[in-house]
Amino acid sequence: DTGVSQNPRHKITKRGQNVTFRCDPISEHNRLYWYRQTLGQGPEFLTYFQNEAQLEKSRLLSDRFSAERPKGSFSTLEIQRTEQGDSAMYLCASANVQAQETQYFGPGTRLLVL
Amino acid sequence: GENVEQHPSTLSVQEGDSAVIKCTYSDSASNYFPWYKQELGKRPQLIIDIRSNVGEKKDQRIAVTLNKTAKHFSLHITETQPEDSAVYFCAANPRGDDKIIFGKGTRLHILP
Repeated sequence: DTGVSQNPRHKITKRGQNVTFRCDPISEHNRLYWYRQTLGQGPEFLTYFQNEAQLEKSRLLSDRFSAERPKGSFSTLEIQRTEQGDSAMYLCASANVQAQETQYFGPGTRLLVL
Repeated sequence: GENVEQHPSTLSVQEGDSAVIKCTYSDSASNYFPWYKQELGKRPQLIIDIRSNVGEKKDQRIAVTLNKTAKHFSLHITETQPEDSAVYFCAANPRGDDKIIFGKGTRLHILP
């Protein structure tokens, strides 16, 4: 296990289409986080999971965004009816809260909505 | 509200000199303050972190200081090298749990 992985690394889609991203955390990390990063900004919190339970969803996140972690391992982030403003880097991170470890980030999925 | 302010947004430093990046936070419950380095096109990577039970932590050329009374924390990089050029983000956990909020970043340029 070499770290957090994300797929795809890049996604180009047309406005109105749905997209889904996948994140595979570090094995046995019980916490998984999703962030969005736009150019010149820091990662913006979207949502996070403790095992399969979604603990919080940012109030800035519209209903078009949904995330799941069905078996407590990998997670998916879906964006429905994409808009040009959704263009960003979507980052996933994982951590082992019991070990008080910090969050380790994946390489991200760069989304471009045309 | 949950907020982390970071400055400066851009910093140019002569190679070999020191660089200081400062952050402030708003929530008194914050007790964990990580710093991440992000090179162009790469993922953010933790470089150092500090918890509220200490005032300073050092790792080779990198140090972080924390002033809980003033709600300030700072990153210090000494003897800067070209590979230090990157964007640096501070973060804090406003509720004292593992949810962290990031600052907007500081783009550090090391000049030859």
